[in-house]
Amino acid sequence: DARVTQTPRHKVTEMGQEVTMRCQPILGHNTVFWYRQTMMQGLELLAYFRNRAPLDDSGMPKDRFSAEMPDATLATLKIQPSEPRDSAVYFCASGSPLAGGRTGELFFGEGSRLTVL
Amino acid sequence: SQQGEEDPQALSIQEGENATMNCSYKTSINNLQWYRQNSGRGLVHLILIRSNEREKHSGRLRVTLDTSKKSSSLLITASRAADTASYFCATRSFTGGGADGLTFGKGTHLIIQP
Repeated sequence: DARVTQTPRHKVTEMGQEVTMRCQPILGHNTVFWYRQTMMQGLELLAYFRNRAPLDDSGMPKDRFSAEMPDATLATLKIQPSEPRDSAVYFCASGSPLAGGRTGELFFGEGSRLTVL
Repeated sequence: SQQGEEDPQALSIQEGENATMNCSYKTSINNLQWYRQNSGRGLVHLILIRSNEREKHSGRLRVTLDTSKKSSSLLITASRAADTASYFCATRSFTGGGADGLTFGKGTHLIIQP
């Protein structure tokens, strides 16, 4: 049963600490997305990769957030230093190419719930 | 910023009744999708409708799209307690730059009373 795997599922850390969230997309999917979900803002797109190349990270605070895809089976989202306002659920999603090169549905992981004290 | 806005924000109905949720969006789209999210879980894709389609069915789900009004509706017929969840519409816009991430609304929280 193919699925997107995210770790950790829960993380509690103190302000100023580095946080790294990991995502294993579904094998064969060539697009990977990072979303952040909060009650106030809903789902926000942070970063987007296609064929491991970053295409859009305009939604991500550049000074403290970074997203990478070291290889096709791993995407990472790093926050350094973390702040209380970063508390949220972070979702990774992957998608497969359709005819014409445009992606359709996204497959989401279960999320990483981050609490920064 | 949200592209899609769902209406209502919350909906409570009796089991067996039909549930209708609406979504409005602002810019031209390539397709519109609906997702469900159970509490504490990730989003699950329900149905996709392309900009040149007006209606689509999948089991108890019926989606309509009116591109002239920039709106869509999701109808769940014969609701069940297991349909209790948040429902999100998501749009994919036409972009020349190649970025085609989905933009989500804030969702409709649906509660099915047994």
